[in-house]
Amino acid sequence: KQEVTQIPAALSVPEGENLVLNCSFTDSAIYNLQWFRQDPGKGLTSLLLIQSSQREQTSGRLNASLDKSSGRSTLYIAASQPGDSATYLCAVKGRGNDMRFGAGTRLTVKP
Amino acid sequence: EPEVTQTPSHQVTQMGQEVILRCVPISNHLYFYWYRQILGQKVEFLVSFYNNEISEKSEIFDDQFSVERPDGSNFTLKIRSTKLEDSAMYFCASRGLRGKNIQYFGAGTRLSVL
Repeated sequence: KQEVTQIPAALSVPEGENLVLNCSFTDSAIYNLQWFRQDPGKGLTSLLLIQSSQREQTSGRLNASLDKSSGRSTLYIAASQPGDSATYLCAVKGRGNDMRFGAGTRLTVKP
Repeated sequence: EPEVTQTPSHQVTQMGQEVILRCVPISNHLYFYWYRQILGQKVEFLVSFYNNEISEKSEIFDDQFSVERPDGSNFTLKIRSTKLEDSAMYFCASRGLRGKNIQYFGAGTRLSVL
């Protein structure tokens, strides 16, 4: 059974800092991995999706990498801003119909 | 850009009542999903639906839950007799037949059982 773990559970950084969020998964047989942003009490906003054949994806200040063989993904956020404060979720699509989510990293960017 | 729409955004109900959560998937999508997120916990898979039948369900999806595609556009989740522990955010997702196996999520319905 696929297990997805995100470290750290919470992170607080000053504005302008570059940061890395980590996601690990136990079964490397995945179709894709997706990073989401969730604001308190709100829905899921898709940030980046990496197919199993890809190693990274970039969107603006965000860069996600995937190392399928080691079961790891990272989300790199450059020049963080207070508006980046949210919970970031990693989710993996494997053989089954479902996506498996991590518990998230709660990010606070202080002005 | 097409999106998955969920209504209502917030549903309050009394314990033991039936609730129906509604979703309008992206129009040409054929696979539909429900997930839930209890406050402070992980997003969890409930059920997937394809070709007018359930294709997979989790252990959470017991006899109290049912799904239906009553017409060509809606996809519903019914909880027959709500319990306090059903309070959660419920997300609908859909994906197309072809493409990159991407599930698109709605904004969610917050269900509060009192």
